[in-house]
Amino acid sequence: AQSVTQPDIHITVSEGASLELRCNYSYGATPYLFWYVQSPGQGLQLLLKYFSGDTLVQGIKGFEAEFKRSQSSFNLRKPSVHWSDAAEYFCAVANELFSGGYNKLIFGAGTRLAVHP
Amino acid sequence: GAGVSQSPSNKVTEKGKDVELRCDPISGHTALYWYRQSLGQGLEFLIYFQGNSAPDKSGLPSDRFSAERTGGSVSTLTIQRTQQEDSAVYLCASSSDLGQPQHFGDGTRLSIL
Repeated sequence: AQSVTQPDIHITVSEGASLELRCNYSYGATPYLFWYVQSPGQGLQLLLKYFSGDTLVQGIKGFEAEFKRSQSSFNLRKPSVHWSDAAEYFCAVANELFSGGYNKLIFGAGTRLAVHP
Repeated sequence: GAGVSQSPSNKVTEKGKDVELRCDPISGHTALYWYRQSLGQGLEFLIYFQGNSAPDKSGLPSDRFSAERTGGSVSTLTIQRTQQEDSAVYLCASSSDLGQPQHFGDGTRLSIL
């Protein structure tokens, strides 16, 4: 069965510092991979996704992620964190359907990011 | 443009009561998903609808949970005889098709007393 592991429950960084959030997945084939962000009391917003092709994916708000098949990882990075980036971040994986595309997402437990001024 | 709309935003009810949660997807989106976010279980898939196909109910935790989607648009998630473990945030998402990004609503926070 597919699974997603986010090893870090809580991370604190200083504003302006670089950030890397870890994500490891378990899946036999190449999965569809996603990073979502959730601010308090709100739904999930898609930051970026990887389906195929270039393993370095650019997303919104200055985030990027790199797919590494050999490590079954899809870590999220940002070179300089802003106070507004404080939120919870979820990595997710989905099966590719036989007909193409994907449907249900399987989420990791999330990493809560705090940003110190 | 309107996003995914969920109502109510908060619901408090007594154990044993039935509840209905509503989701209005983005207009024109054919795929609709329900997820549950709880402290103990994290984010879990519940059910999804795609066009006129039979829904995938594989994530529903018990037969007390059911969902329908009327006219290919609005969906209602119903929980019968609520239990305290049903307390969670119920998130709805929609996409223009399978394989397209899922857009999430702000969720309904359900509290069972």
